[in-house]
Amino acid sequence: QSVLTQPPSASGAPGQGVTISCSGSNSNIGSNTVNWYQQVPGTAPKLLIYSNFQRPSGVPDRFSASKSGTSGTLAISGLQSEDEADYYCAAWDDILDGYIFGKGTKVTVL
Amino acid sequence: QVQLVQSGAGVKKPGASVKVSCKASGYTFTGYYIHWVRQAPGQGLEWMGWMDPKSGGTRFAQKFRGRLTMTRDTSITTAYMELSRLISDDTAVYYCVKNRYQWNYRDSYDFWGQGTMVIVSS
Repeated sequence: QSVLTQPPSASGAPGQGVTISCSGSNSNIGSNTVNWYQQVPGTAPKLLIYSNFQRPSGVPDRFSASKSGTSGTLAISGLQSEDEADYYCAAWDDILDGYIFGKGTKVTVL
Repeated sequence: QVQLVQSGAGVKKPGASVKVSCKASGYTFTGYYIHWVRQAPGQGLEWMGWMDPKSGGTRFAQKFRGRLTMTRDTSITTAYMELSRLISDDTAVYYCVKNRYQWNYRDSYDFWGQGTMVIVSS
């Protein structure tokens, strides 16, 4: 059972924006950084955001993220067809002493 | 460039063991923890545990303790994950991943292997 809660789906028209929330607790997001991964079906996940809001080299600035308290948010602006994927938030949990993932949010570009 | 190349897919019978390899290249193998993450068909990502390639130290998620082993061969920069007493629920794609920051196992994963599909079926 995941302790990071994400909406199962989100959608938007090309060019529009979507936001995905990730709700945790003091033992995970509240005391550790939030990371986001993008997984295009049939491929391995890819690091999209690390340390709450940092983008790895090569990730477009259409992707942004923030953290507040025990929640994180991923925002995608200017949706493109290639953004159709599953998005997972993740963080270390101090009580479980392990890395936890949200169940994922499927983003559909209408 | 950093690469993690995993061994091929396999089918195993219930009760058997599976050993997956992960060949690392393009970075200092002993400087970054290796974790294993799995994904059952149509499901989300599940963290299994980490290994410190320098010391060989390991830490596993509670549900896998007792049947999960992680080892490495530093001479060939390869990590291994072995899961024993397989059941059908272990059918999944298994990924090896590398931490972004050195010596920080709580950190994000910046490189992923291509995944190894393991099917447990009689």
